[in-house]
Amino acid sequence: EAGVAQSPRYKIIEKRQSVAFWCNPISGHATLYWYQQILGQGPKLLIQFQNNGVVDDSQLPKDRFSAERLKGVDSTLKIQPAKLEDSAVYLCASSRRPNEKLFFGSGTQLSVL
Amino acid sequence: AQTVTQSQPEMSVQEAETVTLSCTYDTSESNYYLFWYKQPPSRQMILVIRQEAYKQQNATENRFSVNFQKAAKSFSLKISDSQLGDTAMYFCASGNTPLVFGKGTRLSVIA
Repeated sequence: EAGVAQSPRYKIIEKRQSVAFWCNPISGHATLYWYQQILGQGPKLLIQFQNNGVVDDSQLPKDRFSAERLKGVDSTLKIQPAKLEDSAVYLCASSRRPNEKLFFGSGTQLSVL
Repeated sequence: AQTVTQSQPEMSVQEAETVTLSCTYDTSESNYYLFWYKQPPSRQMILVIRQEAYKQQNATENRFSVNFQKAAKSFSLKISDSQLGDTAMYFCASGNTPLVFGKGTRLSVIA
């Protein structure tokens, strides 16, 4: 069974630039999550999708962050414009259903200079 | 709001010894789940063990076991026969949807 795929693995940008991350969950997993992990902290949920609908985006800074999962499979997370405090690892995870075991990707490490 | 507290930022243990990582949580939900995840330098979070709050029996997975004290809202992880490959960050998480993670404990297993 293939795991959760994420790209790119690393990204360095300057503040005020835009950036996008891509995630392909495990086949058949209806639930997809984007987490932000700042250095020294645990992951924080940004957004959760159930198929192509948003279940929870209460902690997503909507003035600069956006995410979509148009066909209920892969997903993109975008930041525009980026700020220094957005430097973090962005983790994508998926599960068959909510509350079941989460499978994580290897994350994208973003550095905003 | 849910909170998860891991009071030990760093721990170390000798190879083959036993170590316990602490976690306390606060939730108003009546039915919830508790997890321990391992994050090695590769950054990929790996599920170590899962506990359903309505089950009184403590979960075990090979060398990993938990001590779940529901009234005290405590969920500690015991690693027996520690191996060098256990060296990683360990995160406790609780909740339904979404999961709330603690800040992690960095575990070093020393040869």
